[in-house]
Amino acid sequence: GAGVSQTPSNKVTEKGKYVELRCDPISGHTALYWYRQSLGQGPEFLIYFQGTGAADDSGLPNDRFFAVRPEGSVSTLKIQRTERGDSAVYLCASSSQGSEQYFGPGTRLTVT
Amino acid sequence: AQTVTQSQPEMSVQEAETVTLSCTYDTSENNYYLFWYKQPPSRQMILVIRQEAYKQQNATENRFSVNFQKAAKSFSLKISDSQLGDTAMYFCAFMKLKEGNKLVFGAGTILRVKS
Repeated sequence: GAGVSQTPSNKVTEKGKYVELRCDPISGHTALYWYRQSLGQGPEFLIYFQGTGAADDSGLPNDRFFAVRPEGSVSTLKIQRTERGDSAVYLCASSSQGSEQYFGPGTRLTVT
Repeated sequence: AQTVTQSQPEMSVQEAETVTLSCTYDTSENNYYLFWYKQPPSRQMILVIRQEAYKQQNATENRFSVNFQKAAKSFSLKISDSQLGDTAMYFCAFMKLKEGNKLVFGAGTILRVKS
């Protein structure tokens, strides 16, 4: 079956602009995760959804970051007033409860 | 908070030989999972192997095996008969069962397999 997909693959935006990153999880997976991977580092947790609700958003760095999952499937990560420090690869993963996480290919965000 | 440390930024191995990647972690939990993920240049994070902390037996997946030392909080990955396709970044990751299963990753080790 289809894996986790993320769009766009690459996004270049200017400092101060608003961006949306989309994640389409594996069908039937109730859990969805967002991670951020800066250059040369391991991914860092941002937020976790169980169904439609954000069960843990402790990794969001500040209030410019927000994520939604309105129907319990597709999720959108939203970043307002982007800064150069937001440049990174944003990874999405999904899982059935308690099982391994399957990752998407990521979105590379570059803020100029 | 849990931390994961990978002390080898880069490793090289000759094709067909064996290499071991190191990982240590810090936790006060008794029940958790440990993982090794592979990330090639395509960015796709691929699960290589997983280990449940309550299992004493080391996990094995074909050419990949782990040496899990719970008391020492050590979780190394051994790759046997290395292949050119094993060239990638390898991440060790910890998952605490009670916190929504979020993963805590190490900084990674770049592995280069040479022909």
